[in-house]
Amino acid sequence: SQQGEEDPQALSIQEGENATMNCSYKTSINNLQWYRQNSGRGLVHLILIRSNEREKHSGRLRVTLDTSKKSSSLLITASRAADTASYFCATDYGGSQGNLIFGKGTKLSVKP
Amino acid sequence: SAVISQKPSRDICQRGTSLTIQCQVDSQVTMMFWYRQQPGQSLTLIATANQGSEATYESGFVIDKFPISRPNLTFSTLTVSNMSPEDSSIYLCSVEDRSRYTFGSGTRLTVV
Repeated sequence: SQQGEEDPQALSIQEGENATMNCSYKTSINNLQWYRQNSGRGLVHLILIRSNEREKHSGRLRVTLDTSKKSSSLLITASRAADTASYFCATDYGGSQGNLIFGKGTKLSVKP
Repeated sequence: SAVISQKPSRDICQRGTSLTIQCQVDSQVTMMFWYRQQPGQSLTLIATANQGSEATYESGFVIDKFPISRPNLTFSTLTVSNMSPEDSSIYLCSVEDRSRYTFGSGTRLTVV
């Protein structure tokens, strides 16, 4: 299976702490994306990092990509209770459109 | 980015019946994508819907079970036919824009 793996599966932290989630994948990619899902609703695109990029920032989000290790990490700094959600990485292998391969997700709980 | 209106947001259905899920996009898009998210799992692509042609189904999904319509460039429906409890999932539609995917809010289906 090409499916990515995320760890941890669940993460519980206090408000103000940083949260780090990791994603590993199996083959070469065009880009890797992170999505957020609140309570089983629709997914919201957070950030996209291309295979020739190593790090990207967006507000309190920092994403890194290590293509040699086929892994990525998502760091949320100064977390808030509103960050409580599931976070998924998705890899675009450059095949047919729409065929993102989603990881199993990390369920983040931020306690006030 | 596009805005997608998906409905119904949830439904509880009897086994053996069918449910049709609708997605309306606020702009014209060539392809629309339908995903399934089984309980506690990641997203799996069901099919890609092109306007004016038959949908392209992924391995493990067939047209008789998941018929799709795409009558114009802003609208698509997915029907879950002859439902069984194993079909209980969240179903999501999605469109792509510059490699980033926008999702509908999801339909949470429970089959009893």
